[in-house]
Amino acid sequence: EVHLLQSGGGLIQPGGSLILSCAASGFSVSSNYMSWVRQAPGKGLQWVSIIYYGNVGSTYYADSVKGRFTISRDTSRNTLFLHMNNLRADDTAVYYCARDIDYSSSSPGWFDPWGQGTQVTVSS
Amino acid sequence: EIVLTQSPATLSLSPGERATLSCRASQSVGTYLGWYQHKPGQPPRLLIYDASSRATGIPARFDGSGSGTDFTLTISSLEPEDFAVYYCQQRTNWPRTFGQGTTVEIK
Repeated sequence: EVHLLQSGGGLIQPGGSLILSCAASGFSVSSNYMSWVRQAPGKGLQWVSIIYYGNVGSTYYADSVKGRFTISRDTSRNTLFLHMNNLRADDTAVYYCARDIDYSSSSPGWFDPWGQGTQVTVSS
Repeated sequence: EIVLTQSPATLSLSPGERATLSCRASQSVGTYLGWYQHKPGQPPRLLIYDASSRATGIPARFDGSGSGTDFTLTISSLEPEDFAVYYCQQRTNWPRTFGQGTTVEIK
């Protein structure tokens, strides 16, 4: 069974840093596209970042987090990470990791499954 | 970026009734549209991808249709566990975007 277990998050002051973790089981994070998606309070879902499968592991970001967030993975631990720097109040959200998969091609596409989510609150 | 507009914002129905949810894209996404179910305290769950393909384990009462800019998610007969928020998502253009959601609530 494929499963994602998240850890990290919490309350952090503006300008601070935080690392989110997402441990996968039942599949390899290095052989799949992996993404982070967030949901701010009272808002809808927003894609944040993706890391491509394979040795190169290209990464891409939403404009709102570019230059501040870094997605990475540890193959030996089969774990995905999101390093968040210079956090702002509008980064407050529940953050989800997800396998990013298209069942009819080799492109990223749909988020399935999702981690359980972790709350990040940026406030002084 | 592609804007997805969902309607209605809220749907008030009783168990056993049919639910029809709409998602309209600001430009054509072909059939690259998916639907998710999101319940409080749980992560979203993929229901439908490629406009009409059901994800693994999704009951047949969930049906997706449409192409281009207009899409529909139909729940043929609502079960108690179906009351939730539903989001559409496109994968045609970057960034991938979601609709603002439709809440299906118990009447």
